[in-house]
Formats: sequence, C-alpha cells, structure tokens
Amino acid sequence: KNEVEQSPQNLTAQEGEFITINCSYSVGISALHWLQQHPGGGIVSLFMLSSGKKKHGRLIATINIQEKHSSLHITASHPRDSAVYICAVPNSGGSNYKLTFGKGTLLTVNP
Amino acid sequence: GAGVSQSPRYKVAKRGQDVALRCDPISGHVSLFWYQQALGQGPEFLTYFQNEAQLDKSGLPSDRFFAERPEGSVSTLKIQRTQQEDSAVYLCASSWTPGLTAGNTIYFGEGSWLTVV
Repeated sequence: KNEVEQSPQNLTAQEGEFITINCSYSVGISALHWLQQHPGGGIVSLFMLSSGKKKHGRLIATINIQEKHSSLHITASHPRDSAVYICAVPNSGGSNYKLTFGKGTLLTVNP
Repeated sequence: GAGVSQSPRYKVAKRGQDVALRCDPISGHVSLFWYQQALGQGPEFLTYFQNEAQLDKSGLPSDRFFAERPEGSVSTLKIQRTQQEDSAVYLCASSWTPGLTAGNTIYFGEGSWLTVV
C-alpha cells in the first residue's frame, strides 16, 4: 500500500494569504489527486496530475515525481476556501482503481 | 443526474439493525467505488465495480458488509447487524472509464453519514 503523508494537519490563515499544503507518498505513481471536502459535504475533485503543474483559478497544484511530493497552493485565500484538502494516490501493486488517501489538511481562512 | 447522488444522507441505526445505503452514479459511468471515512481520517477503499461486476471487495471490513450493482448503474451498500464501529461516512464515487487512469476524473457523492447507537 502506498503511504501518504500530508502537512500541515491544520492550517489557519488570514484572508488574502498564500497557502501551501504538502503531500508526500512512498511509492511511485502515475497520477495524484487533490480533493476538497467541506464540513458535512461530499468530496470534490480539484486536480489530477501526473507531472509538472496545473492551475485552476486561484488554485495551483505541482508535483515532483522524482521526489514523490506534491503541493497545493491557494493564492489570495478567501474564507470560502475553508475546507479539508486531501491528496490521494493509487495503491502500489498494479490496481488502477484503488486510491490511498491522506488524512487531510483542515484549512481555516479567517476574514 | 447532474452528479453522484447518495441516500439517505443521514442514518441513525440501533446496534444490530440492518442498513442499506444507496448510490446513484452519474449516468453512463462505468466505474463505481465505495469508501468508508471515519471521523478525522481520510477515506478508505471498500469495494469497486466495473459496470455490474464487483471486481474488488477486499476493503469490506467484515462479512456483514455487502455491496451490489445488479444493472451496472445504481449500487447499494448493505450493512447487516450494525455495530458501533460501523459509524462513519460512506462515500460513493464514479468515473467514466474503467479504473482511474490519468485524465479520468473521479466524482464523489455527498456521502451517507451513519451513526450506530
């Protein structure tokens, strides 16, 4: 099983701050997922990336395959960005449908 | 429908009661996944369907858990003789193609919150 570590576990920021959430995994992968989960809500897929960088609005995701590390950045953070951010990677062992999830990073953005 | 729909959203069950959780995936999606998420933890894989075939049920915690997708669309996760440790959010997800290959987005439902008392 691929081990996934996220940091920090909890993050509190002021509105407008630049946010970085990190994800490290133990086994080489084909693609990594970044997900967002609001309290009481379901999960929304933000990014799936296999190399380099992707940008969507104020969200930027980067991945370094050699270092087995990915980061999620939020520019000009806003209170509505408050949520749990989870990274997920495929399990090792060849199954292309099993994901291992990190425990998530709880982000709180204060106005 | 527009997204993955799960019902009930909230369920309180007495210990020993049977429960059934329903998932309506996005129409036409081949892959369907069930996950269990305990409080403060990331989701854990339960089972995977490709159309009506249950290709992997290795994550089901015990033989009290059973999942089906008889016509390759709607899926039901059934938990028999519920125990307190079954209290969790049960998430359903679907995707267009078999597996989660690069470029294949996974869509999650809102989850079914189960509390066993």
